[in-house]
Amino acid sequence: AAGVIQSPRHLIKEKRETATLKCYPIPRHDTVYWYQQGPGQDPQFLISFYEKMQSDKGSIPDRFSAQQFSDYHSELNMSSLELGDSALYFCASSYDLYGELFFGEGSRLTVL
Amino acid sequence: SQQGEEDPQALSIQEGENATMNCSYKTSINNLQWYRQNSGRGLVHLILIRSNEREKHSGRLRVTLDTSKKSSSLLITASRAADTASYFCATDGGWAYKYIFGTGTRLKVLA
Repeated sequence: AAGVIQSPRHLIKEKRETATLKCYPIPRHDTVYWYQQGPGQDPQFLISFYEKMQSDKGSIPDRFSAQQFSDYHSELNMSSLELGDSALYFCASSYDLYGELFFGEGSRLTVL
Repeated sequence: SQQGEEDPQALSIQEGENATMNCSYKTSINNLQWYRQNSGRGLVHLILIRSNEREKHSGRLRVTLDTSKKSSSLLITASRAADTASYFCATDGGWAYKYIFGTGTRLKVLA
């Protein structure tokens, strides 16, 4: 069965650079969530989209932006990267309101 | 503030024993979900319990929900070494598009 695809899986950037993470949800899933997980931390909710519209926002820095495109894939753009942005970034999708979330394997961002 | 808090933060047991993890949350919910995460990997959905349910089973998993105490527990029976992972609860806090994860319990099952 198709799963949530995230790319790239690993990314190394310098401070103040920009990074873009991509997420391809499971077909027919209309909701996408982005989470950030630091080492040994719980996943922190960043932002979500439903039917290509932003539906909720969490502790996402102003330096970050995201959108969902017409084909339902989503991109998380991160600018002016800081050392503290080093983390695993997960995307999840769901097909049912209040249903389970299906997670991708994550994108590991390292900021040097 | 953290929506979900879990205890214990770490748990080490022998294979064959039962493992119980608890989760507390602060606001009303529509459902509560439990997820498992192997180190550095994606989260895998285990079980979902709705606010009008009190108990749910799935294989060796048993989840209870007490909405009056705003708490849930996950019981893994007859644990195996392969159950070694971090376990998180997640709550919707009444919103459909914002699941908040608890701090997680790191379970280690010794063979």
